[in-house]
Amino acid sequence: EVQLVESGGDVVQPGGSLRLSCAAAGFTFDDYGMHWVRQAPGKGLEWVSGISWNTNSIVYADSVKGRFTISRDNAKSALYLEMNTLRTEDTALYYCVKDRRNSVHDGLDVWGQGTKVTVSS
Amino acid sequence: DIQMTQSPSSLSASVGDRVTITCRASQDIHTYLAWFQQKPGRAPKALMFAASSLQPGVPSKFSGSGSGTDFTLTITSLQPEDFASYFCQQYYNLPLTFGGGTKVEV
Repeated sequence: EVQLVESGGDVVQPGGSLRLSCAAAGFTFDDYGMHWVRQAPGKGLEWVSGISWNTNSIVYADSVKGRFTISRDNAKSALYLEMNTLRTEDTALYYCVKDRRNSVHDGLDVWGQGTKVTVSS
Repeated sequence: DIQMTQSPSSLSASVGDRVTITCRASQDIHTYLAWFQQKPGRAPKALMFAASSLQPGVPSKFSGSGSGTDFTLTITSLQPEDFASYFCQQYYNLPLTFGGGTKVEV
C-alpha cells in the first residue's frame, strides 16, 4: 500500500523557518515526481512546489518562490520542504503528494495526511 | 496561471440521487484534468485523471467527461459515503491549479 507520512509541522513566528519531511513507502520512490500542496484553514487547495524523480525539474508557486526549497533523498525515500521567511499567510495544512509519473505535471494521485504549519506571533 | 472555476460551490442532494459538478478552465487544457474527493478532516483522494479515467479502486458510479475548457464529474446513485467536497485540478500547465471545490451535502 502506498503511504506518505508528513512530519515537521509546528507553530513558528513570522520570519521564522521550518523543515517539513515526508516519508514514502509502498512504491518505488525514485520512479515518481513528488509535490507539496497546502490548504489554509477553511480554504481550498494550493499547489506549492514539485520535484521530478531525478531533481532535474524543480518548480514553485510564485507565492513561495525564493523562500521555500523542495528537495528529495531517493536513497531514503524522503521528500523535504525547507521553509524560510515564513509569513502568516503560509499557515496551512501541508500535504505531501505523489505524481502519477516521474515528472511534475502528470497529475497527482496519492496524498499524505498532512502536517500543520501555523505562523503566528 | 490557469484559473479553474467550479460550480456549484455547494449542492444539496439525497441518497440515490445523481449529481453533476462542473469545472471550467480559463484556457484550453485538453484533457489534463483530475478530480479529487475530500471528506472533513481527511486528505484528498484521487478519483479521476485525464478527465474521464478512473483511478484504480474508484467505483464506476463516478464518471467524468469533457475536454478543452469544460468538464463534468457525475456521481450516480449517491450514497452516504459520497457526501463530501469535490475538487477539480488542471495539470496542463504549471503552476498546477485547483477549482474552489463543490460541497455535496444532505
